[in-house]
Amino acid sequence: EADIYQTPRYLVIGTGKKITLECSQTMGHDKMYWYQQDPGMELHLIHYSYGVNSTEKGDLSSESTVSRIRTEHFPLTLESARPSHTSQYLCASSTGGHAAKNIQYFGAGTRLSVL
Amino acid sequence: DQQVKQNSPSLSVQEGRISILNCDYTNSMFDYFLWYKKYPAEGPTFLISISSIKDKNEDGRFTVFLNKSAKHLSLHIVPSQPGDSAVYFCAALAGANNLFFGTGTRLTVIP
Repeated sequence: EADIYQTPRYLVIGTGKKITLECSQTMGHDKMYWYQQDPGMELHLIHYSYGVNSTEKGDLSSESTVSRIRTEHFPLTLESARPSHTSQYLCASSTGGHAAKNIQYFGAGTRLSVL
Repeated sequence: DQQVKQNSPSLSVQEGRISILNCDYTNSMFDYFLWYKKYPAEGPTFLISISSIKDKNEDGRFTVFLNKSAKHLSLHIVPSQPGDSAVYFCAALAGANNLFFGTGTRLTVIP
């Protein structure tokens, strides 16, 4: 059973607000990821981290930012939310390395609606 | 351009019959393939995987087949159960790099 938690599960917010989506894992995994998924579409990687103080942008350009100050915590921030940011955001973690060690475990996701 | 493709957005199967979900990929560097299952309002859950050095991996009711020459893999579920109703994502990776996901296939198992 994977222990990775995302809060909030659902968020409805007005345009221009600053929001932070929380993600924490208790498995001691080095690698963490943020994906964005729209209905009927594939998961798009927007950020990842190989460890503390390491963050990289993913395949899909995003206006969000991330930080990795602690191994277990990988929050995602939107400085000024817009309706185009409405989506589901999924956090994942893995031990890293090749193949079977790179199996990613996902949180339940945050469904964000920006009005 | 999408490197992992699931061309069937949905599939309906009678309970007890076999479900076959298909996935195609374009990147010949992919060497490990995974299937994830996703229920509504939950994150994807790892289901089964296969290395490119194998052509079959079985785990209980779930079997994944890999055809490298065709760049095709499939997930077989037999017998299908109503609890298997979910969205199934195919994913692939090359080495220690990041995962590429397909768009998913929604499986409905009819009691």
